[in-house]
Amino acid sequence: EAGVAQSPRYKIIEKRQSVAFWCNPISGHATLYWYQQILGQGPKLLIQFQNNGVVDDSQLPKDRFSAERLKGVDSTLKIQPAKLEDSAVYLCASSLGPSNQPQHFGDGTRLSIL
Amino acid sequence: GESVGLHLPTLSVQEGDNSIINCAYSNSASDYFIWYKQESGKGPQFIIDIRSNMDKRQGQRVTVLLNKTVKHLSLQIAATQPGDSAVYFCAENKKGGKLIFGQGTELSVKP
Repeated sequence: EAGVAQSPRYKIIEKRQSVAFWCNPISGHATLYWYQQILGQGPKLLIQFQNNGVVDDSQLPKDRFSAERLKGVDSTLKIQPAKLEDSAVYLCASSLGPSNQPQHFGDGTRLSIL
Repeated sequence: GESVGLHLPTLSVQEGDNSIINCAYSNSASDYFIWYKQESGKGPQFIIDIRSNMDKRQGQRVTVLLNKTVKHLSLQIAATQPGDSAVYFCAENKKGGKLIFGQGTELSVKP
């Protein structure tokens, strides 16, 4: 089966600019996650969707980050305006359900802020 | 607070030897644990999982052991190969699906 698809793979922007990432989960996976992975650290959950509803966005910096999953399949994550500390890899993952199911990750988008 | 930690940041083994990567967790209520492998430039790859009603689970060349008494998790890789070189993360799956990752252990396999 096809894995989680993400684009773009790399993005370089200047601070205060905006950027958007796209994710297509594994077919049939109802739960979708966005993670931020800073170099040398483990991934940190930003937001979790169950179908097109938000389950957990407690660690999403809502003043600058937003995410949506309008039709319950693809998702986009946006940052506006970007800060230097947002430089990281943004990973999307999906799973069949929200609990006690393996999450499968895409290869991420590496974001560099100048 | 809750955290998942790894005992060693780096591990170097000889090709063909067995590798053991350890992980400690702090939340005794956690009931599901996952090991991931992450190669440079790629996303974490699912290796094996274990539920809290089990002590041991085996996959292909990998075994995960769970000791709930001391809140310890380990990943054993048999006959380690150069392709096993990567960063390994344990992750605690909290109720509702929120994964808490540790810092990771970098495994280097010497030919």
